[in-house]
Amino acid sequence: DAKTTQPPSMDCAEGRAANLPCNHSTISGNEYVYWYRQIHSQGPQYIIHGLKNNETNEMASLIITEDRKSSTLILPHATLRDTAVYYCIVRGHNNAGNMLTFGGGTRLMVKP
Amino acid sequence: DGGITQSPKYLFRKEGQNVTLSCEQNLNHDAMYWYRQDPGQGLRLIYYSQIVNDFQKGDIAEGYSVSREKKESFPLTVTSAQKNPTAFYLCASRGAGSEQYFGPGTRLTVT
Repeated sequence: DAKTTQPPSMDCAEGRAANLPCNHSTISGNEYVYWYRQIHSQGPQYIIHGLKNNETNEMASLIITEDRKSSTLILPHATLRDTAVYYCIVRGHNNAGNMLTFGGGTRLMVKP
Repeated sequence: DGGITQSPKYLFRKEGQNVTLSCEQNLNHDAMYWYRQDPGQGLRLIYYSQIVNDFQKGDIAEGYSVSREKKESFPLTVTSAQKNPTAFYLCASRGAGSEQYFGPGTRLTVT
């Protein structure tokens, strides 16, 4: 599975959009981009995933560049409860067992 | 109330003792996973099971054992052979989709 690179930390003002970047320059054609988040001392929570088209759900939007080498998770109106570590994960379609490889993630701090 | 439960939330053991962490799910998911998380780090896969009575080692299986006798349950035993057992342990399950759903975790401290 392709490796991902994320900034270690970011700040965002409450009510503003939070844009979390992820680089995955070695991604291959059948690998999906997944985003999870982990609020302190809790289990990770699935947010969204995509292959090449942009995706949106009730939690967030995922924008994947045309060359698929990077993506951005957008939380449109960040709240204090969105403070968490956000993990960008690339997983192969042929990944037996659907295993996830978690890197260090981005620690998002939403400030009032 | 559907979901994944892990118990207990906090567990303390003396060095040299085996300890078993519980993970139960009522989501009717086939696949289950155990991860370990150390402070400030991401999750690392210990074991996973795609179906009852079958399981595979993950990246850091040494010093751990699992069983999958029932679809709902995937207990993890941390043996005395695990050199650094103190960590946050997370269980997850996956259904027909590709996303994993995580339990609340068990924080194990071994002294």
